[in-house]
Amino acid sequence: GAVVSQHPSRVICKSGTSVKIECRSLDFQATTMFWYRQFPKKSLMLMATSNEGSKATYEQGVEKDKFLINHASLTLSTLTVTSAHPEDSSFYICSARDRGDPYEQYFGPGTRLTVT
Amino acid sequence: GQNIDQPTEMTATEGAIVQINCTYQTSGFNGLFWYQQHAGEAPTFLSYNVLDGLEEKGRFSSFLSRSKGYSYLLLKELQMKDSASYLCALGGAGSYQLTFGKGTKLSVIP
Repeated sequence: GAVVSQHPSRVICKSGTSVKIECRSLDFQATTMFWYRQFPKKSLMLMATSNEGSKATYEQGVEKDKFLINHASLTLSTLTVTSAHPEDSSFYICSARDRGDPYEQYFGPGTRLTVT
Repeated sequence: GQNIDQPTEMTATEGAIVQINCTYQTSGFNGLFWYQQHAGEAPTFLSYNVLDGLEEKGRFSSFLSRSKGYSYLLLKELQMKDSASYLCALGGAGSYQLTFGKGTKLSVIP
């Protein structure tokens, strides 16, 4: 099956610094990637939809200047959390849609971000 | 908007069958998805329904009734490793975005 990787799996950073999370589709071309965040014991909340070669579409309430998304190629999207604060601590998960199977999304293993 | 309801928690016995229900209100969607998520891990795809009816995949089956705004996931021959959260999600019409329910935490006991 299709594989999506995320890097890093865990990161701890200090308040005010920026953190970049990478999401890669390893064996398929992902025209669309999605970024979610999940708080403990809560469901996944869609943050933004990222299409290759165009600007990301952010969900209501998500600050685009704080969560920078770049989808530079058909296999890579990055999420940068800028000027991180403790309330940004969360589980960030990306998913990718295979252009050959539009209904199914393949999820990465997630990145646990802790801001101290 | 979309609203998705699932029971918060369920408990079932190893070897038994369990049905996890999902009801929803939406103005339109392209399919209903079921994902399994173990604690601290990303969701893994189980099944999806586009049309009404039953989809079977091994020990897992999913059912959809669009007219009733209702779906269920059926797990047979429960195993201890099936203890996880099960997420019901609606696929956006034309956008392929997923809107997730809050998930049902299933505990399988001996």
